[in-house]
Amino acid sequence: DTGVSQNPRHKITKRGQNVTFRCDPISEHNRLYWYRQTLGQGPEFLTYFQNEAQLEKSRLLSDRFSAERPKGSFSTLEIQRTEQGDSAMYLCASSRGTGGIINEKLFFGSGTQLSVL
Amino acid sequence: DAKTTQPNSMESNEEEPVHLPCNHSTISGTDYIHWYRQLPSQGPEYVIHGLTSNVNNRMASLAIAEDRKSSTLILHRATLRDAAVYYCILGGGGGNQFYFGTGTSLTVIP
Repeated sequence: DTGVSQNPRHKITKRGQNVTFRCDPISEHNRLYWYRQTLGQGPEFLTYFQNEAQLEKSRLLSDRFSAERPKGSFSTLEIQRTEQGDSAMYLCASSRGTGGIINEKLFFGSGTQLSVL
Repeated sequence: DAKTTQPNSMESNEEEPVHLPCNHSTISGTDYIHWYRQLPSQGPEYVIHGLTSNVNNRMASLAIAEDRKSSTLILHRATLRDAAVYYCILGGGGGNQFYFGTGTSLTVIP
């Protein structure tokens, strides 16, 4: 396993701009998750894909957020019209997806740190 | 989503065992108990998980109470590299995501 890769590692943007993050999961992992983490807090679930299908979205995922996973491989998370409250670490994770999540290991990337000025 | 309760912080001396507690009194019969840790500037890392029986792996041991309402993560010999935030999470309840709390920040003293 080469690990979960996230790009960029850091992103600084001005309020109102759009940003896009990329996540490359571990090869052949069927499930892919996006989490958000603010300073001093644990990661918060945003959304989850099984292959290319987005199966679950948190209420934290406002209309300005959109995630895709074309062809069930890499995923992108886009934030439109960024706000200062969007400043956070955005984490991606993947798992094999061969059974129920309750018994799965998640492999996390190092995250993308977003700063909205 | 079932909740877990952990102390905010703990300290341990290097090379001594560490016992990190977690309470999960509302756990359901199908919930697995997972532990992840997060080192500074990194994503969370899987440590161990179990359902009912105690579990061991190369990183740690997981001791699960008989009533499953609490568990303890055991690091047998703490090293400086074990300094991290440790999260106790319940996986299950019909959902497809893990809910992280604020975890326990472990400080290892040389």
